[in-house]
Amino acid sequence: QSALTQPASVSGSPGQSITISCTGTSSDVGSYNLVSWYQQHPGKAPKLMIYEVSKRPSGVSNRFSGSKSGNTASLTISGLQAEDEADYYCCSYAGSSTFEVFGGGTKLTVL
Amino acid sequence: QVQLQESGPGLVKPSQTLSLTCTVSGGSISSGSYYWSWIRQPAGKGLEWIGRIYTSGSTNYNPSLKSRVTISVDTSKNQFSLKLSSVTAADTAVYYCARVDTAMVTYDYWGQGTLVTVSS
Repeated sequence: QSALTQPASVSGSPGQSITISCTGTSSDVGSYNLVSWYQQHPGKAPKLMIYEVSKRPSGVSNRFSGSKSGNTASLTISGLQAEDEADYYCCSYAGSSTFEVFGGGTKLTVL
Repeated sequence: QVQLQESGPGLVKPSQTLSLTCTVSGGSISSGSYYWSWIRQPAGKGLEWIGRIYTSGSTNYNPSLKSRVTISVDTSKNQFSLKLSSVTAADTAVYYCARVDTAMVTYDYWGQGTLVTVSS
């Protein structure tokens, strides 16, 4: 069960926009619109930010958006704020043999 | 508001069995369409899906851990549990329990996590 591929780190200045990619295969990201994104601050549990590729749970800022093209999903954060500095993980359903697979995580630094 | 809380020993000896319990409050573990999952995170590393259970007792496990993992549920206590056998130092991690919406496959509620160290 291979992890989804994410960049180890991204950075941006306050007010800017950044995009985090999540690359899988035709067996997971490419086959299902069941990609979710999680934000994790140090020492805390992950928090759901995006589900079903592009939907936001109630209470999540509309600065967070998601998309997918082929085997790659993306999380975009616009109007970067200091509080967005955290680790971000993608997750995809991968069928009835592998079930769910997480990405390796991306550390977002707000400069 | 649903809350999950992990509990269990923080130190396990190599070759022994790691046992953790997740207690669910604020709602019945049997209500709704949810899986109840375990995920772990070694220090400084990413999340690894361990497995999940439905309240019917149906389970699914990470293929790489399947031979060592057992997840069970006790609906009368509103709890589900993880057992990982033959542990090594590589199993040292923060272990999280979480609720998963079956339709959207989203982990919408998480426990705070518990650190389990495998050491003699």
